[in-house]
Amino acid sequence: VQLLESGGDLVQPGRSLRLSCAGSGFTFNTNALNWVRQAPGKGLEWVSSISGSGNYTNYAGSVRGRFTVYRDNSKNMLYLQLNSLRAEDTAKYYCAKGWSLDSLGQGTLVTVSS
Amino acid sequence: DVVMTQSPLSLPVTLGQPASISCRSSQSLVFSDGNTYFHWFQQRPGQSPRRLIYKVSNRDSGVPDRFSGSGSGTDFTLKISRVEAEDVGIYYCMQTTYWPRTFGQGTKVEIK
Repeated sequence: VQLLESGGDLVQPGRSLRLSCAGSGFTFNTNALNWVRQAPGKGLEWVSSISGSGNYTNYAGSVRGRFTVYRDNSKNMLYLQLNSLRAEDTAKYYCAKGWSLDSLGQGTLVTVSS
Repeated sequence: DVVMTQSPLSLPVTLGQPASISCRSSQSLVFSDGNTYFHWFQQRPGQSPRRLIYKVSNRDSGVPDRFSGSGSGTDFTLKISRVEAEDVGIYYCMQTTYWPRTFGQGTKVEIK
């Protein structure tokens, strides 16, 4: 199993960013996927989940309405669209496989600052 | 939201000695299918988190048998039978029974 995140960057408050996660080594379209984040020096926070088909999604209250999770099973790709970014969204974002997060990637760093 | 409370938050241990971390949830984690979706994760310094234990007591592939998980309902424990240097890091409990998914605050394990 390999999960490779990308797309992290330094962005200004209020701007948008899209994160990507490429999955390999497993049957992509039958596995739920998740985003988990970790602010610098802080603990883990679940952000969002999406079912294998993409028909079901769920979000943490702190990002609901601003972030959108989606996937392209034809490309084995998971995405997280981050809109209206705030300083408190600064974190390393990990993608994780399965409803019980059996594997996580290396993460991609998002910094929100003016 | 289900609150996950870990204790202690810091755990100095002697090499070769046992260690134990507790996690309590604010409500029972038994799902309607009878399973308890409670898990433990390890995050070594500078590394990504990895799952150690799933559904209370099942070790993930490659996890040494010195790690064990137990508990039920709202009270859970992670035990390390004999701590080794590679066990240094932060340990998190997590529940995936309810939405939103929630983690404990983390317990930092260090060598005395």
